[in-house]
Amino acid sequence: GAVVSQHPSWVICKSGTSVKIECRSLDFQATTMFWYRQFPKQSLMLMATSNEGSKATYEQGVEKDKFLINHASLTLSTLTVTSAHPEDSSFYICSAQGSGNYGYTFGSGTRLTVV
Amino acid sequence: GQQVMQIPQYQHVQEGEDFTTYCNSSTTLSNIQWYKQRPGGHPVFLIQLVKSGEVKKQKRLTFQFGEAKKNSSLHITATQTTDVGTYFCAGQGDMRFGAGTRLTVKP
Repeated sequence: GAVVSQHPSWVICKSGTSVKIECRSLDFQATTMFWYRQFPKQSLMLMATSNEGSKATYEQGVEKDKFLINHASLTLSTLTVTSAHPEDSSFYICSAQGSGNYGYTFGSGTRLTVV
Repeated sequence: GQQVMQIPQYQHVQEGEDFTTYCNSSTTLSNIQWYKQRPGGHPVFLIQLVKSGEVKKQKRLTFQFGEAKKNSSLHITATQTTDVGTYFCAGQGDMRFGAGTRLTVKP
């Protein structure tokens, strides 16, 4: 089956620093990946659609200069939270669609805490 | 753009009771997907519905897609504690999720 690996699973960083989150499709190629953030007891909010070899498409209200997305290969997309602040603390999760599977597979998520 | 609304937001049931969550779209959907997220976990794909009026079953779970392809429902018969979690719908492949329904089950 389709497996998406996301790292790190949790990270604590200081205010003002940057954090990179990786999302890898392990057994399939993913032309498109999706990045979400989820606050406690809330739904997943789509942040951006990551497209291999081209610029990501950001949702309205998401700062593209703050949340840098790079999809350099068919198996890897990265989300970098730049100059992180406490309000960026959240659960970040990626997803991709594997071939032969109608559904989307999610990574295990990254819990970011900015102190 | 497309907006998917989901109700109820929360549902607390006694084990053995039935549970239903509803998903409504402002526009016609080409398909709808359902996911389950356990507390502390990530969403897991349950099913996709494509055809108008489609009904699919997975053991105690019954999924329906409305005739107009604007609404969908997930019904769980005789809930168990293992059903606890948040159930999300997502439409049309742009992967925007409904608000989800958080199900808790009292043993």
